[in-house]
Amino acid sequence: EPEVTQTPSHQVTQMGQEVILRCVPISNHLYFYWYRQILGQKVEFLVSFYNNEISEKSEIFDDQFSVERPDGSNFTLKIRSTKLEDSAMYFCASSEALGAAGNTIYFGEGSWLTVV
Amino acid sequence: AQSVTQLGSHVSVSEGALVLLRCNYSSSVPPYLFWYVQYPNQGLQLLLKYTSAATLVKGINGFEAEFKKSETSFHLTKPSAHMSDAAEYFCAVSEPGNTGKLIFGQGTTLQVKP
Repeated sequence: EPEVTQTPSHQVTQMGQEVILRCVPISNHLYFYWYRQILGQKVEFLVSFYNNEISEKSEIFDDQFSVERPDGSNFTLKIRSTKLEDSAMYFCASSEALGAAGNTIYFGEGSWLTVV
Repeated sequence: AQSVTQLGSHVSVSEGALVLLRCNYSSSVPPYLFWYVQYPNQGLQLLLKYTSAATLVKGINGFEAEFKKSETSFHLTKPSAHMSDAAEYFCAVSEPGNTGKLIFGQGTTLQVKP
């Protein structure tokens, strides 16, 4: 079964450093998402992305976050200047079409980010 | 605003026993509802989804869930637990229409005892 892959699986970074989390969505999917889960809290929507632009973003997704599809296969989340509170599991996801109703959103295994 | 509440952060059952994981939602419009499962060191996998068709939804691995509008619930059940069912389960809600935004509950860890 096709799957969403994420790298790295775990990254430790110092506060203030830039971090890039990478994702390879399923090849025929057109819509891409990032979610995150802070330890002990709910999985939260960050952003959705289609046709090289952001479709929707949450209030969490402030100016320190950015997303990009630099080539035909990768989808990245960049955190410009990490803070301690950015420590979380970050999930990448993709779907064939927009919307969770008629389309399954496939999630990756997550990238665990620890900011020290 | 939509929200999801999962009652019980940890549920423990014996192998062969009924599994019942509770989920209640809040939504101003008829929602779409989902259950995802996360096995250790794996991503979130869709178990089943309700999108306003049949109220009883069957999913993978013998799980099913029933949408009850009057109770604003979407509880997940499985008649007989298997050791391999041990995982974390997430209930989620989405608004109808063109959005990929899921609102998740806090998750329930299912432990299956031999």
